[in-house]
Amino acid sequence: GESVGLHLPTLSVQEGDNSIINCAYSNSASDYFIWYKQESGKGPQFIIDIRSNMDKRQGQRVTVLLNKTVKHLSLQIAATQPGDSAVYFCAESSGANNLFFGTGTRLTVIP
Amino acid sequence: DTAVSQTPKYLVTQMGNDKSIKCEQNLGHDTMYWYKQDSKKFLKIMFSYNNKELIINETVPNRFSPKSPDKAHLNLHINSLELGDSAVYFCASSQAGGINEQFFGPGTRLTVL
Repeated sequence: GESVGLHLPTLSVQEGDNSIINCAYSNSASDYFIWYKQESGKGPQFIIDIRSNMDKRQGQRVTVLLNKTVKHLSLQIAATQPGDSAVYFCAESSGANNLFFGTGTRLTVIP
Repeated sequence: DTAVSQTPKYLVTQMGNDKSIKCEQNLGHDTMYWYKQDSKKFLKIMFSYNNKELIINETVPNRFSPKSPDKAHLNLHINSLELGDSAVYFCASSQAGGINEQFFGPGTRLTVL
């Protein structure tokens, strides 16, 4: 099966700094990627997605970068806020509505 | 209004019991899912249903049986509960027709004693 993993299981950043969360995937056939945010006691919440025909996509304070050559995905959060503290998951799919999730990175924002 | 809802939020039960978790979505989506999240936060898909038909069934023990009475509901029945079934179970839904964003419910924390 597909394998999606994260380089850093935990990440601590100062409030106001930028955060970068990385993700590696192994299935070169994956063509759709999503970042989810999961706060304590809640379900995963969609942040941003990107399809394989793009290498960058921007949202509000978030940017996702996709490097298909090295099968790497990253999530950049600008001006990190305390409310950004959560576990972040990357997920990838090669179609058929099946999403495979990575192991997650816990982001802690230090006030 | 809650888009994807699950009941109960917490479920504590003894080994060997049979239990059910209910899920409902009011988004008009055609596809619904069940995921299991273990104590290390690893999320793994269990089942996927499209228009009341099973389309994905990962390697899940047959003690777990999803039931979809209509496309807005996907319930999860678990027979003969085991200690290892303790986890948080998430229901999700998405539009059909290829991969789309999945909307997750709040989760059901199942504890088997």
